[in-house]
Amino acid sequence: KAGVTQTPRYLIKTRGQQVTLSCSPISGHRSVSWYQQTPGQGLQFLFEYFSETQRNKGNFPGRFSGRQFSNSRSEMNVSTLELGDSALYLCASSLGQGKNEKLFFGSGTQLSVL
Amino acid sequence: GEDVEQSLFLSVREGDSSVINCTYTDSSSTYLYWYKQEPGAGLQLLTYIFSNMDMKQDQRLTVLLNKKDKHLSLRIADTQTGDSAIYFCAEGFSGGYNKLIFGAGTRLAVHP
Repeated sequence: KAGVTQTPRYLIKTRGQQVTLSCSPISGHRSVSWYQQTPGQGLQFLFEYFSETQRNKGNFPGRFSGRQFSNSRSEMNVSTLELGDSALYLCASSLGQGKNEKLFFGSGTQLSVL
Repeated sequence: GEDVEQSLFLSVREGDSSVINCTYTDSSSTYLYWYKQEPGAGLQLLTYIFSNMDMKQDQRLTVLLNKKDKHLSLRIADTQTGDSAIYFCAEGFSGGYNKLIFGAGTRLAVHP
């Protein structure tokens, strides 16, 4: 069974641009969560999607958004990029049952904002 | 509030046991997890424990939970060089829809 796939692996953008990251969950998983990992703030929850609906979100500005498609694939978008958005963005998938979910993480997208 | 703390670094000799500690503040957490991250990779779930359990053993891994002191530990028996990585503890909450609160991570270095 293929794992969680995130594309692209690396991205370099400049301030003010926008970026879209993609995540394909494990087959059969209906929930996709996104996390931001930085050396200063560590791992922080961005949002979670299930059946194309956002069920939970973290404390990030509205520049961070996401969506989920009917095949459970998810994208996240960051608009008007700032230097502080440089981070490893991790996607995790799970069955979506809502209790004690085992999250399976992808290798992440490393975003550098110049 | 939600906060998870870990010591940042641990060095052990190959073959010894490693103990990684974690404290958390939110007593409403219902499950606690240990994840491992190797360089350039995502997070790998190692094990988890329900908040109503005191201990869980899974091959070389032993998790101890002291709910009164809000203290969680991960013991790795017979530590190998392949165990060198960053270990994160995380809290989950009932109905939290995969919002986990992570600690900063403990970097484990295993030397011969």
